[in-house]
Amino acid sequence: GENVEQHPSTLSVQEGDSAVIKCTYSDSASNYFPWYKQELGKGPQLIIDIRSNVGEKKDQRIAVTLNKTAKHFSLHITETQPEDSAVYFCAASKSHSNSGYALNFGKGTSLLVTP
Amino acid sequence: EAGVAQSPRYKIIEKRQSVAFWCNPISGHATLYWYQQILGQGPKLLIQFQNNGVVDDSQLPKDRFSAERLKGVDSTLKIQPAKLEDSAVYLCASSLGPDSSYEQYFGPGTRLTVT
Repeated sequence: GENVEQHPSTLSVQEGDSAVIKCTYSDSASNYFPWYKQELGKGPQLIIDIRSNVGEKKDQRIAVTLNKTAKHFSLHITETQPEDSAVYFCAASKSHSNSGYALNFGKGTSLLVTP
Repeated sequence: EAGVAQSPRYKIIEKRQSVAFWCNPISGHATLYWYQQILGQGPKLLIQFQNNGVVDDSQLPKDRFSAERLKGVDSTLKIQPAKLEDSAVYLCASSLGPDSSYEQYFGPGTRLTVT
């Protein structure tokens, strides 16, 4: 089955700096790659996603890049703010016939943004 | 639009007892997922429903876990009997379904502690 590796496990940056989280996946058939933000006591919240026919996607301060050849994708957060502090998860999935996209998650990155 | 609802939010039981969790997905979402999130890890898929049919339950420990989605809306996940290693957060997610939207939206989860 799919194996998703995520690095680093913890990341500390100063407010205003950029943060980068990287993930690799094993199944070349995977074609959907979302990123989730999870705050303490809450469920994961989708922040951005990318499909395999796109190499890069940006939404304000957040961007995701995908390299299908190397089977890795990354999350970039610019101008970080203290409220960006949370655990971030990458995930990968592939379509099943007549179903949705069951997600395989990485182990998460705990991001701390210090003022 | 109301999000995914789950109850209870917290549950403490002794090993060998039984427990049930309830999930109400976003209105109109055909696909429903149950994930198990052990502390410090990413969510792991337990079971996926498309309407009221099971699409994938390959990672569900069927000797003790069961789930149903009667009428294709609400779902319940049951554990009987519980083991210490079942202590985790149980997350429910939903998505519109095939040929529409890949995005999965998560509920707040039920934190289960087995003593």
